[in-house]
Amino acid sequence: GAVVSQHPSWVICKSGTSVKIECRSLDFQATTMFWYRQFPKQSLMLMATSNEGSKATYEQGVEKDKFLINHASLTLSTLTVTSAHPEDSSFYICSAIGRLSNQPQHFGDGTRLSIL
Amino acid sequence: GEDVEQSLFLSVREGDSSVINCTYTDSSSTYLYWYKQEPGAGLQLLTYIFSNMDMKQDQRLTVLLNKKDKHLSLRIADTQTGDSAIYFCAEKAASGTYKYIFGTGTRLKVLA
Repeated sequence: GAVVSQHPSWVICKSGTSVKIECRSLDFQATTMFWYRQFPKQSLMLMATSNEGSKATYEQGVEKDKFLINHASLTLSTLTVTSAHPEDSSFYICSAIGRLSNQPQHFGDGTRLSIL
Repeated sequence: GEDVEQSLFLSVREGDSSVINCTYTDSSSTYLYWYKQEPGAGLQLLTYIFSNMDMKQDQRLTVLLNKKDKHLSLRIADTQTGDSAIYFCAEKAASGTYKYIFGTGTRLKVLA
């Protein structure tokens, strides 16, 4: 149980385009989802926390107009990188938790984003 | 401050035990977690421990928690080559936001 699916797993696109990444909880209702960014050989950096039906809470230094997060249902959150540039290239990972406060975060397999 | 620290590298021989250490700073953390990350993949939850426990064992994995020293360890018995990965400890922030603070990660290399 507690499977989180992330799509796409790898995307390459030109500078200036927008890219949408999906995060789905397949077998549970995710009241809260998290979006992380991971640079090579580094730990995870939390970008934002999204709760179903409300605006995402962004961490300090993360541009909310650059990284648009939508959590429209209990099983789907999306991260859109708008007007992507090479410096946005990174590994993006989502995670989700269910309704109970003691449940651990379950992670997707990540999306490798390469901006040319 | 909220820092979770781990040693960067660990190398062991196949069949030996591995011990990965983690120190954290928030004494009010309620849960502590161990995740495994293989190359190019997301994080896989290995195990977690509630802060009122000292030890938790799950098959080859043993978690020890020393709250006084804010020290967490993960022992992997009979380490296999498939255990080679990066291991992250994480503490659940006590602020009620469900956020985790991740450690720096330990790269475990298992030698055949």
